[in-house]
Amino acid sequence: EIVLTQSPATLSLSPGERATLSCGASQSVNSRYLAWYQQKPGLAPRLLIYDASSRATGIPDRFSGSGSGTDFTLTISRVEPEDFAVYYCQQYHRSPWTFGQGTKVEIK
Amino acid sequence: EVQLVESGGGLVKPGGSLRLSCAASGFTFNTYSMNWVRQAPGKGLEWVSSISSTRTYIYYADSVKGRFTISRDNAMNSLYLQMNSLSAEDTAVYYCATDKGGYNDYWGQGTLVTVSS
Repeated sequence: EIVLTQSPATLSLSPGERATLSCGASQSVNSRYLAWYQQKPGLAPRLLIYDASSRATGIPDRFSGSGSGTDFTLTISRVEPEDFAVYYCQQYHRSPWTFGQGTKVEIK
Repeated sequence: EVQLVESGGGLVKPGGSLRLSCAASGFTFNTYSMNWVRQAPGKGLEWVSSISSTRTYIYYADSVKGRFTISRDNAMNSLYLQMNSLSAEDTAVYYCATDKGGYNDYWGQGTLVTVSS
């Protein structure tokens, strides 16, 4: 199976700062079949990005995704107070679909 | 508005069984593949099972293969997960989610399954 490794495990930022989250795949994820989700405590995950760089419906444009092959990035251009949460990447290139272990974005 | 509402979770003894349900509304259920995804307490997300819109394609994670059965009733707009031979490792919040070609665009609120004696 494809193993996704997210870094860093925790990102401490102040509101207004830029966030850069990484997701590395153990094998190439062709066709950019990679998604990003945001999860807040006690809530279900919310889709942010699909196909590596396409924003889901209603997602603000401060969220952007990039990358291909084995290296993918989620960028939050200016972190808002509501963005402090855990972020997961997921590949859907090859079954079984797998998720990264998550990056927690916390208030500095 | 898309709504997915899971039910059927609870406390069950090791070796026991449980059936989860997911009631869908706000979209054309019979045109969507559906997934079950779980999250153990304090842990990350794990894909469990998928079923295509017409039940032609069904997939399971190795961790549940042979013990869990996914099914759906398109007339009732409902998704199910029959879970047998449960162990402590199955303790998790179970989410149903719509499958848009592999990624999950809508999620339910989840139902907690606790396996403990």
